[in-house]
Amino acid sequence: EAQVTQNPRYLITVTGKKLTVTCSQNMNHEYMSWYRQDPGLGLRQIYYSMNVEVTDKGDVPEGYKVSRKEKRNFPLILESPSPNQTSLYFCASRSGFRVYNSPLHFGNGTRLTVT
Amino acid sequence: TQLLEQSPQFLSIQEGENLTVYCNSSSVFSSLQWYRQEPGEGPVLLVTVVTGGEVKKLKRLTFQFGDARKDSSLHITAAQPGDTGLYLCAGAPTQGGSEKLVFGKGTKLTVNP
Repeated sequence: EAQVTQNPRYLITVTGKKLTVTCSQNMNHEYMSWYRQDPGLGLRQIYYSMNVEVTDKGDVPEGYKVSRKEKRNFPLILESPSPNQTSLYFCASRSGFRVYNSPLHFGNGTRLTVT
Repeated sequence: TQLLEQSPQFLSIQEGENLTVYCNSSSVFSSLQWYRQEPGEGPVLLVTVVTGGEVKKLKRLTFQFGDARKDSSLHITAAQPGDTGLYLCAGAPTQGGSEKLVFGKGTKLTVNP
């Protein structure tokens, strides 16, 4: 089954404790992206990657890191999480660079709470 | 930054009613997508509209892209409880590269049986 898999689904951590949220897709998509979803703010892009070893900042990159060493994986790293990073996170991928002919496929989300 | 404003933010209706959700901007978009997100899941694409004035139908859902490609609407006929969810519009700005997708904040629809 074609899918984007995120882990974990739920994560509660403390301020300053490094964490990684994994994302893997099995559709051979070049483009991958991370979003956070917050009430009243909608979906905001954190980082995206057009291909292996190519990453770029989205609208809210502060406090996050990503890497794209393999085509299928795009982990999101929080080196020193803070409470304002409490959010619902989504990984997404699509096959092409052009939005109009390639829909975004989303994972089921990771709900992160930082205390 | 190109913004997409969705209205209404919340909508609660009875089964069988019709409804329209709006997605508006002052900017032109090269294409626009509608997604539906159900609780505990990621958004799922419903439709992509590309041409100004384009109308697409998906069963009881009708999507329209404005003539000037600045706005879009989603009309649901005879809503059912299974239509409950968060509806998101997302546009590809004409500036900034075609890989960029801007999301509206969503319309949360509840259809009561």
